[in-house]
Amino acid sequence: AQSVTQLGSHVSVSEGALVLLRCNYSSSVPPYLFWYVQYPNQGLQLLLKYTSAATLVKGINGFEAEFKKSETSFHLTKPSAHMSDAAEYFCAVRRGSGNTGKLIFGQGTTLQVKP
Amino acid sequence: EPEVTQTPSHQVTQMGQEVILHCVPISNHLYFYWYRQILGQKVEFLVSFYNNEISEKSEIFDDQFSVERPDGSNFTLKIRSTKLEDSAMYFCASSDEGDTEAFFGQGTRLTVV
Repeated sequence: AQSVTQLGSHVSVSEGALVLLRCNYSSSVPPYLFWYVQYPNQGLQLLLKYTSAATLVKGINGFEAEFKKSETSFHLTKPSAHMSDAAEYFCAVRRGSGNTGKLIFGQGTTLQVKP
Repeated sequence: EPEVTQTPSHQVTQMGQEVILHCVPISNHLYFYWYRQILGQKVEFLVSFYNNEISEKSEIFDDQFSVERPDGSNFTLKIRSTKLEDSAMYFCASSDEGDTEAFFGQGTRLTVV
């Protein structure tokens, strides 16, 4: 079975500050991990993904995440927050082999960016 | 850039009515999915579809739900007798053989009144 836990349903940062959104996963098989962003009244956009290659993954809009197997974590970071980063962020896991397979999502973290 | 297209963007229906949500996946994709997101909650998997049959479904996907690929381009989700608790954003997604991620549509917001 697989699951995802996102620590912190709301994160607030100042513009220009570091963004850190936490994600821990549980998986009995090697996982693929994803971060999606959802802007208000929009769909899900893939930010980045880990698929068993490099453990440090770079995505769009300056975001990156590091896969740490020992900590079962896949935290999302961005060095300097921008007002446009305000959105809902979802971490997701799927099994890392076979067909594409279903995604298991975390509860989501709302990122607020203050001027 | 190819994308998954969902229609309508917003559907309002009366409780007990049947509703069909439409999706046009990316044209060469083979795997299709429906997810839903109740307001303020996480995105939940409903069903996956491959080779003209359901490959996996969640406990949410009960007998009131069905999916169909009526032609070579559309993928539909039908809810036979809608309930208030079916109100949610429904996302369609698709992927190709070997893809590591699914591509999501913009969603259909279903409101049951």
